[in-house]
Amino acid sequence: DTEVTQTPKHLVMGMTNKKSLKCEQHMGHRAMYWYKQKAKKPPELMFVYSYEKLSINESVPSRFSPECPNSSLLNLHLHALQPEDSALYLCASSQGRNAYEQYFGPGTRLTVT
Amino acid sequence: AQSVTQLDSHVSVSEGTPVLLRCNYSSSYSPSLFWYVQHPNKGLQLLLKYTSAATLVKGINGFEAEFKKSETSFHLTKPSAHMSDAAEYFCVLNTGFQKLVFGTGTRLLVSP
Repeated sequence: DTEVTQTPKHLVMGMTNKKSLKCEQHMGHRAMYWYKQKAKKPPELMFVYSYEKLSINESVPSRFSPECPNSSLLNLHLHALQPEDSALYLCASSQGRNAYEQYFGPGTRLTVT
Repeated sequence: AQSVTQLDSHVSVSEGTPVLLRCNYSSSYSPSLFWYVQHPNKGLQLLLKYTSAATLVKGINGFEAEFKKSETSFHLTKPSAHMSDAAEYFCVLNTGFQKLVFGTGTRLLVSP
């Protein structure tokens, strides 16, 4: 089963809210990723966790805070977001560091009002 | 530098006709290349991958791609388009450092 699940599917939040996105995989993958995708653009990498440790942060603003509680779970905590942060947030996983392919979840559509 | 260029932003075909989506790459290393498909408001689905084995790669839903080192190309083809193939397609290069390099995408439109 090559499934990555993400919750919620849709999220609307105000600029003063705190919310979290959740991602889960049960493929035994040891690397997990957060991407941000704006309309009509390819995904942009935000964070990479490898063996539950943050290995890449692509200079993402601190209002986005990732967390990897265990090898199957990845969270993205959101606080004080801006309207320009509205986007599709995608989670992905791969077998390990430098693994060939990544498997993507369906995404969370985030709207910041 | 490693990069991917998708030569067409939009491709329009009729149902039942062949599909060709073009991708060129630049890489200092032996590349790993992928094609992903994204239907509206969905995640990315892996169609096929090239990882230095056979140069002709078969994927899901009847798609295939041929790796041509001399032309630095990895074009995606399908003999007969179906309405359900209408989507955004991304050609992707694995840098080998936990990062993927995405092309800008090609929107495939399929008319009845």
